[in-house]
Amino acid sequence: GDSVTQMEGPVTLSEEAFLTINCTYTATGYPSLFWYVQYPGEGLQLLLKATKADDKGSNKGFEATYRKETTSFHLEKGSVQVSDSAVYFCALSDRGGGADGLTFGKGTHLIIQP
Amino acid sequence: NAGVTQTPKFQVLKTGQSMTLQCAQDMNHEYMSWYRQDPGMGLRLIHYSVGAGITDQGEVPNGYNVSRSTTEDFPLRLLSAAPSQTSVYFCASRLSGSGGETQYFGPGTRLLVL
Repeated sequence: GDSVTQMEGPVTLSEEAFLTINCTYTATGYPSLFWYVQYPGEGLQLLLKATKADDKGSNKGFEATYRKETTSFHLEKGSVQVSDSAVYFCALSDRGGGADGLTFGKGTHLIIQP
Repeated sequence: NAGVTQTPKFQVLKTGQSMTLQCAQDMNHEYMSWYRQDPGMGLRLIHYSVGAGITDQGEVPNGYNVSRSTTEDFPLRLLSAAPSQTSVYFCASRLSGSGGETQYFGPGTRLLVL
């Protein structure tokens, strides 16, 4: 079945550092890929998405490129801020595989220190 | 638009008790779903619905029932609560389509079963 693997945290960085959170996936069809963010005590919000190979999703300074050859969708940001502290989830939607709903990774807790 | 709303925000149950977690959306989304979030497990799909009158099981459906009598509402029922159902529950909705559509999440219901 489908699966998503992402680096587990916590990941602790200093403000203005470069961020990479790795995400790789396994899917039977041609999935769409997502990054969701969860701030403390809140629900999940879509951060960015890509629906086909080589697409780049971007939002709020975050970027991720859909790499079919490496089955990856790594999240990057050039200069993180304290307000970026949250849990980040990589997810896929593989409608072509017959499944429905989102398949999530376990989440990466990001802590940004001033 | 209120988006996706969930009630209650927090609930404590005793083993064997029943309860219904409410979920409503005002975006006229065809697709609705329930996830549970457990530490180190990410989010896992419980049940989903592609439209009024249609429901199906997700990854972890045991112990939960759902119904979809209207487009707006998608309640989740626990008939006999167990400690293993202690979790945070999220409802989500999206438009139907090819799979690249964004899912919108509610704020969550934190459930503790004693």
